[in-house]
Amino acid sequence: DAGVIQSPRHEVTEMGQEVTLRCKPISGHDYLFWYRQTMMRGLELLIYFNNNVPIDDSGMPEDRFSAKMPNASFSTLKIQPSEPRDSAVYFCASNLDRGKTEAFFGQGTRLTVV
Amino acid sequence: DAKTTQPTSMDCAEGRAANLPCNHSTISGNEYVYWYRQIHSQGPQYIIHGLKNNETNEMASLIITEDRKSSTLILPHATLRDTAVYYCIVKDLFGNEKLTFGTGTRLTIIP
Repeated sequence: DAGVIQSPRHEVTEMGQEVTLRCKPISGHDYLFWYRQTMMRGLELLIYFNNNVPIDDSGMPEDRFSAKMPNASFSTLKIQPSEPRDSAVYFCASNLDRGKTEAFFGQGTRLTVV
Repeated sequence: DAKTTQPTSMDCAEGRAANLPCNHSTISGNEYVYWYRQIHSQGPQYIIHGLKNNETNEMASLIITEDRKSSTLILPHATLRDTAVYYCIVKDLFGNEKLTFGTGTRLTIIP
């Protein structure tokens, strides 16, 4: 397996524009996570899914952020409208099942909002 | 999940063993200790995890004290590629699946 695949790797957009980040988890993994990393706040969980259903979205900053998982092999994180403070590296991760298995992270999408 | 405390930074000479401590004094019976690391510009990478017994894999060893209030990650023969931020995370086996990352320890391997 190629691991968790994220696209794009880099995104530069203007304030106010819609941004969509994409993630393909490892095949067969039941859990999918979206994390955000900034210098100020470190790595923080935004939302996670189990079997395509959102379980914990308490980390989603505000209504401008939304995440979907239409099927087991694809998820999106959308920001509309984007703001400069959304600039960060966004990581997607997946793990096999509940409990003591490890999470596998993608390479991240570096988002810059100007 | 229990909170963890780690030193901000550490140095280790190449070829020597790197010992990274973690304090988790409020850990409960169902909580595992996980270690991840993040090499610059990459996503976090799983290293090892354990409950109460010492664990070893191809990457590292994990030593958990008998009272489970602290642990040490050991990289037996550190190389320059081990330079990274190392995160110690406590996670409930039956609770929320999310990983709560602290600030970690920035380990620098010195040639």
